[in-house]
Amino acid sequence: GAVVSQHPSWVICKSGTSVKIECRSLDFQATTMFWYRQFPKQSLMLMATSNEGSKATYEQGVEKDKFLINHASLTLSTLTVTSAHPEDSSFYICSARDGGKETQYFGPGTRLLVL
Amino acid sequence: AQSVTQLGSHVSVSEGALVLLRCNYSSSVPPYLFWYVQYPNQGLQLLLKYTSAATLVKGINGFEAEFKKSETSFHLTKPSAHMSDAAEYFCAVSDVEGNKLVFGAGTILRVKS
Repeated sequence: GAVVSQHPSWVICKSGTSVKIECRSLDFQATTMFWYRQFPKQSLMLMATSNEGSKATYEQGVEKDKFLINHASLTLSTLTVTSAHPEDSSFYICSARDGGKETQYFGPGTRLLVL
Repeated sequence: AQSVTQLGSHVSVSEGALVLLRCNYSSSVPPYLFWYVQYPNQGLQLLLKYTSAATLVKGINGFEAEFKKSETSFHLTKPSAHMSDAAEYFCAVSDVEGNKLVFGAGTILRVKS
């Protein structure tokens, strides 16, 4: 149980384009989903927290207009990197938490390369 | 604010030897503590968690960790390392609601044959 998937696993795009990453909880309802970014040889940094049906809460320093998060259902959250630039190249990982429980279950990650 | 310090960015052990990965935390509220493992180009897999029950927590793959409040530590151990244990390990702390996981910098474990 507690499986989280992400799609795509790899994406390469041109600078200035937008990229959408999907995060799905496959066998549980995720009332809360989280988006993290991990730069090479660094730890995970929380970007934003999203609750189903509500606006996402962004961490300090994360541009909400650049990283659009939608959590329209209990099993799906999407992260859209708008007008991507090379500095946005990173490993993006989502996690999901079942309401009332403390454990976050992580997806396999999406590697984004912006040329 | 909560924070996590993992001592040693790289740890190398021989196959069959004891594995000890160190984690110290700082938290103004009773913490929940987690150890996750990450294999190359993959997401994080939960190894074990402490949620204010037993201070000695057993996890998957033979790992365990002991919560020591007096030392603000949550070190991860395994009696005998396997080659398959080679990965990066992250210690994390959250509040009691499981929000805002704060991760340590990670420790890369290398297992020598």
